[in-house]
Amino acid sequence: EVQLVESGGGLVQPGRSLKLSCVASGFTFSNYGMNWIRQAPGKGLEWVAYISSGSSYIYYAETVKGRFTISRDNAKNTLYLQMTSLRSEDTALYYCASQLRRVLFDYWGQGVMVTVSS
Amino acid sequence: QITLTQQAESLWVSPGEKVSITCRASQSLLYTDGKHYLSWYQQRPGQTTKALIYHASIRTDGVPTRFIGSGSGTEFTLSIEDVQPEDIALYYCLQTLKKPYTFGAGTKLELK
Repeated sequence: EVQLVESGGGLVQPGRSLKLSCVASGFTFSNYGMNWIRQAPGKGLEWVAYISSGSSYIYYAETVKGRFTISRDNAKNTLYLQMTSLRSEDTALYYCASQLRRVLFDYWGQGVMVTVSS
Repeated sequence: QITLTQQAESLWVSPGEKVSITCRASQSLLYTDGKHYLSWYQQRPGQTTKALIYHASIRTDGVPTRFIGSGSGTEFTLSIEDVQPEDIALYYCLQTLKKPYTFGAGTKLELK
């Protein structure tokens, strides 16, 4: 069974940092590109970042560029999102999603909540 | 960036009816390979987001045949025939033609 399990969320003050993890199982993680997507409370989905299977290609949304860093460890089947200089507008449920082919986000996790507030 | 517009925030439907959800792109989603880089997703409370359709019209494995994707260029539709109670959910379109990837705002399907 395919599973993506996010962790590392929580309440953090503005300006601080947080690192999210996404552990994959049930598929060959190293073959898939991976994404982070977020959903602010009551809002729609926003793509945050992408990393290719071998980490050669990395892209970010303009809203997080320079503050967030996506990375992965294929030996540990784990995707990461290092978030720095957090702002209140980063408050959201963060999902990881796999992408074997460019056209499709195949599998999604349940999401992990990040709340940025003083 | 490419903007995806899902006109309807909510659609009300009775079980057994047919409903259509539209997604309009600010530019063509047709790539040089002749395929459209538009996919559809379902979000149900308490469940992981599920991929339904890719390349505008191809169902992913296990998706019931009542889910039908159509459209081309900039206009796309997800139709659900014979709506079932379990189809009550949020539906999003996504373009992966160009980065930044962008989603539509979502359409909430609700029971009449």
